Amino acid sequence: SQTIHQWPATLVQPVGSPLSLECTVEGTSNPNLYWYRQAAGRGLQLLFYSVGIGQISSEVPQNLSASRPQDRQFILSSKKLLLSDSGFYLCAWSVQGPAYEKLFFGSGTQLSVL
Amino acid sequence: GENVEQHPSTLSVQEGDSAVIKCTYSDSASNYFPWYKQELGKRPQLIIDIRSNVGEKKDQRIAVTLNKTAKHFSLHITETQPEDSAVYFCAASRSGYSTLTFGKGTMLLVSP
Repeated sequence: SQTIHQWPATLVQPVGSPLSLECTVEGTSNPNLYWYRQAAGRGLQLLFYSVGIGQISSEVPQNLSASRPQDRQFILSSKKLLLSDSGFYLCAWSVQGPAYEKLFFGSGTQLSVL
Repeated sequence: GENVEQHPSTLSVQEGDSAVIKCTYSDSASNYFPWYKQELGKRPQLIIDIRSNVGEKKDQRIAVTLNKTAKHFSLHITETQPEDSAVYFCAASRSGYSTLTFGKGTMLLVSP
């Protein structure tokens, strides 16, 4: 069966520090991969999605970036964090093909920028 | 792009009552409408979805209805239980063309 791993679960970082969140999927190949941010009262905001290695689409321009160095690995990064980057970050995957809209989420990372 | 509005933001019911959460969407080409449930501190999970070729879908105590003309869809939970307490998100997309756009969520509180 397919599983998605996301780490760390909790992170406290000072303003201006770098960020690296990692997500990996097991049990499937060539998945679509997504990064969402969930801020209080603002629902699920899509940040990046990828349909293949090295293919990244950005939905919201900001100081975050994403990379997909391997088929089942998705990384969210920042060179300098802002206070506004605080939130709950969720990685998700879906299959390629007709059921691509069905998302399976990771357990999330609670990021606090102080 | 698509815009999804969700109401209410908070809903409190007594155990055994029914709960209804409503969403409207803006893109008439959207044809896929899922609902996700997120328990406190946990990941969102898909609970039910509907495509635009049907008007209603049921799964035990949960049902979703779709009105394409009015561009709104609703989640209905009957005989609510305390374990139904969670945040529920609706979403919409146009298959093959777009990713999901989510509503802002509804916090459902079911009191024993």
